[in-house]
Amino acid sequence: AQSVSQHNHHVILSEAASLELGCNYSYGGTVNLFWYVQYPGQHLQLLLKYFSGDPLVKGIKGFEAEFIKSKFSFNLRKPSVQWSDTAEYFCAVTALNTNAGKSTFGDGTTLTVKP
Amino acid sequence: DVKVTQSSRYLVKRTGEKVFLECVQDMDHENMFWYRQDPGLGLRLIYFSYDVKMKEKGDIPEGYSVSREKKERFSLILESASTNQTSMYLCASIDFRLEAFFGQGTRLTVV
Repeated sequence: AQSVSQHNHHVILSEAASLELGCNYSYGGTVNLFWYVQYPGQHLQLLLKYFSGDPLVKGIKGFEAEFIKSKFSFNLRKPSVQWSDTAEYFCAVTALNTNAGKSTFGDGTTLTVKP
Repeated sequence: DVKVTQSSRYLVKRTGEKVFLECVQDMDHENMFWYRQDPGLGLRLIYFSYDVKMKEKGDIPEGYSVSREKKERFSLILESASTNQTSMYLCASIDFRLEAFFGQGTRLTVV
């Protein structure tokens, strides 16, 4: 069974600081990788995803993530955060041999951006 | 846009009550999921369904059951609510690319 580990539970940054949230997974086979975001009072939504091809993927609102297969990692980055990026971020992994596309989520990282 | 709608945003129920949480999606997705979200624990899968009348247990199915009589509707049932089931419940459906679309969540409090 796969598992997902997010390294930071709570990150506090000032506006314009750079962000990197760590995500590692354990699974030996082929996976699809996702980052989801939950803004205060809103539902979870997709931030970006990796299926295949270029390991550097770009998502909405200036976020990007890099898949490093040898490290089983899919870290989320943003060069300059804004106050509106305050949210909870979840990394998720779906193993391609599972039925129904069952995803495993990390515990989440709460990002607080100070204005 | 895909829309996943959960019937209630907030619910307060008494211990021992039977509780129904309803979820409807409008994009003809085959696969639907129920998660609970607790601080520091992320999202934990309760049950999922990959077709009408088909269901499988997730990681924490104890105390829950589900019903999928129609493709668009996936219901979570708490047979006898207990205080440790106080949580945020999230419904999701996924498309062919395995991207999940979530409802707004139901915050259930069991007193």
